Amino acid sequence: GQNIDQPTEMTATEGAIVQINCTYQTSGFNGLFWYQQHAGEAPTFLSYNVLDGLEEKGRFSSFLSRSKGYSYLLLKELQMKDSASYLCAASGSARQLTFGSGTQLTVLP
Amino acid sequence: EPEVTQTPSHQVTQMGQEVILRCVPISNHLYFYWYRQILGQKVEFLVSFYNNEISEKSEIFDDQFSVERPDGSNFTLKIRSTKLEDSAMYFCASSEAGGGREQYFGPGTRLTVT
Repeated sequence: GQNIDQPTEMTATEGAIVQINCTYQTSGFNGLFWYQQHAGEAPTFLSYNVLDGLEEKGRFSSFLSRSKGYSYLLLKELQMKDSASYLCAASGSARQLTFGSGTQLTVLP
Repeated sequence: EPEVTQTPSHQVTQMGQEVILRCVPISNHLYFYWYRQILGQKVEFLVSFYNNEISEKSEIFDDQFSVERPDGSNFTLKIRSTKLEDSAMYFCASSEAGGGREQYFGPGTRLTVT
């Protein structure tokens, strides 16, 4: 079966750094995605990891350890507009995405 | 920038009716998907479609559901005999062939079954 776990909620302060963790157990693993979703909107792509290690993209970085079934999303220099739900998703053999329940991040001034 | 489009943005239907949700994927993409998100819950995979056939489907995607690519641009999800529990946001997504793996999501169709 597929199982994705991530914290339900996190709070951080504007300008700070926050790390959102995700653990996964899936069959036919084909990569780990992070999406951002604002309330009432569609998920938007943030990052993709298929090999172990860190991928950096501006203020956002994502890490993957395949042997541990673990990933994290690192957000630096937090801005108010970063308040959103962050979705961890594992890609299966047919490229289908299995999503976690999302981590609702609130950025405080 | 190319984007996935979906119509309608909101569909209200009565229980037992059939609905067709429409999507226009990004033009050079070859993999297409439908997901749904019940209010307050996680995004759930329904079906993936490649080379004019279903490549994977979830347990949710039972005989009530069907997908079709009627022409070179549209990708549709048909729900027969809708139930109250089908009320959700339905997202279409597409990804390109080859190395591109990120899926680009459309804005969604909010389906309300009364």
